Amino acid sequence: EPEVTQTPSHQVTQMGQEVILRCVPISNHLYFYWYRQILGQKVEFLVSFYNNEISEKSEIFDDQFSVERPDGSNFTLKIRSTKLEDSAMYFCAGSRGSETQYFGPGTRLLVL
Amino acid sequence: ELKVEQNPLFLSMQEGKNYTIYCNYSTTSDRLYWYRQDPGKSLESLFVLLSNGAVKQEGRLMASLDTKARLSTLHITAAVHDLSATYFCAVDIQRAQKLVFGQGTRLTINP
Repeated sequence: EPEVTQTPSHQVTQMGQEVILRCVPISNHLYFYWYRQILGQKVEFLVSFYNNEISEKSEIFDDQFSVERPDGSNFTLKIRSTKLEDSAMYFCAGSRGSETQYFGPGTRLLVL
Repeated sequence: ELKVEQNPLFLSMQEGKNYTIYCNYSTTSDRLYWYRQDPGKSLESLFVLLSNGAVKQEGRLMASLDTKARLSTLHITAAVHDLSATYFCAVDIQRAQKLVFGQGTRLTINP
C-alpha cells in the first residue's frame, strides 16, 4: 500500500537558521497539506496546495514559511528563519480531493 | 472561526467496558474524520463520515455523525488494551482545503 514519506525524521537547528522539510506524497494524490503539532497539543493546519499553488493557508503560515512542489513528486516546506516556537512535529498529508487525508510519519523539528 | 471540541480529553477505562467520545463542532460541515495517533507516531485514518446519519464500524469502534446537532461520536465496545491511543476528530471545511482538529482524547485502557 502506498504511503506518504517524509525526511528527515528529526531535525535540530539553531534559531534563525533555514530548514527545509521534505515530503513525497502518494503518487495519485492531487491535494497536499502541511500540518504541525506542538508537543502534547492538537494538530494545526498550516497550508494546502493544489495545482501548483497555495489554495488555503492559516495565520501560522506567515512570510517565514513557503511551500514548493519542485519536481512533481516532492513537496517541501521551508521555514526561512526559525524561531523557538517553530519547534513541533510537522506532518505532510495528501488526498485525492474531498476524501481522507493520508498523513506522513512526520518530521520532529527542534529549534535551539 | 470553526471550533472543534472533544470530550473527554482524558479517559481511563478498564478492558471490557464501553465508552463514547464526543466531538462537537461550531459550523456547518458534512464531512468529519476520526484519526488515531499512537505516541510519537503519525495520524492513522479510522473513519470518514460524509453525510448526516452516517455510521461506520470497524472492529470495536463505531463512529456516527449528526450534522444537525453538529456532533459526532466514537463508541468503543468492550475495550481492549490495544485501543489505547489518542483519538482526534477533524472537520473538513471548504472541501479539501483544510481539516480543523479537535484537541484529542487520550484513551488509556487498563487490563
